[in-house]
Amino acid sequence: SQQGEEDPQALSIQEGENATMNCSYKTSINNLQWYRQNSGRGLVHLILIRSNEREKHSGRLRVTLDTSKKSSSLLITASRAADTASYFCATVSNTGNQFYFGTGTSLTVIP
Amino acid sequence: DAGVIQSPRHEVTEMGQEVTLRCKPISGHDYLFWYRQTMMRGLELLIYFNNNVPIDDSGMPEDRFSAKMPNASFSTLKIQPSEPRDSAVYFCASHSRVRFGNTIYFGEGSWLTVV
Repeated sequence: SQQGEEDPQALSIQEGENATMNCSYKTSINNLQWYRQNSGRGLVHLILIRSNEREKHSGRLRVTLDTSKKSSSLLITASRAADTASYFCATVSNTGNQFYFGTGTSLTVIP
Repeated sequence: DAGVIQSPRHEVTEMGQEVTLRCKPISGHDYLFWYRQTMMRGLELLIYFNNNVPIDDSGMPEDRFSAKMPNASFSTLKIQPSEPRDSAVYFCASHSRVRFGNTIYFGEGSWLTVV
């Protein structure tokens, strides 16, 4: 399978704490993206990191990428109850047109 | 823009019946994807189209599944006959790397239950 795998499968933290999710993948990539899915909704794009980048920031999000280990991490700082959702990494093929999603991490932020 | 539009949002059908899921991609997007999401298997890519042409259907589970894209603004995913194990959320997504950057946009999904 070309799907990635997220770790942990589920994460529960208190509001204000940081949340870290990891993603491992198998194939070479053009870029890696993180998406969020609220319960009962479609996935929404959060952030993209290219294969030649090592770290990227967007607001409270920080993404790292280690292509030698074929892994990525998503850090959400100062979490809020509204961050409760499932988070997915997506690896994008070298053609840039195939998106393969991981199994997701379910994050619960307790107020 | 209205985003990717899928219908129906929810469908309950009996085993053996034909199911047709519909998708309208974002205008100007030249790629369209069908995904299936289950607890056990996560989000699986079933098939994707470029300029209305199927490019990769290797994720389509069985011959009972078929997908078409007769024009740039409409696609269908059909299951005939349906089985209980087809119960899942089916997502349509669209993408235009050149015009809108390298992300894809999902619809809200079609929740299918086969009893």
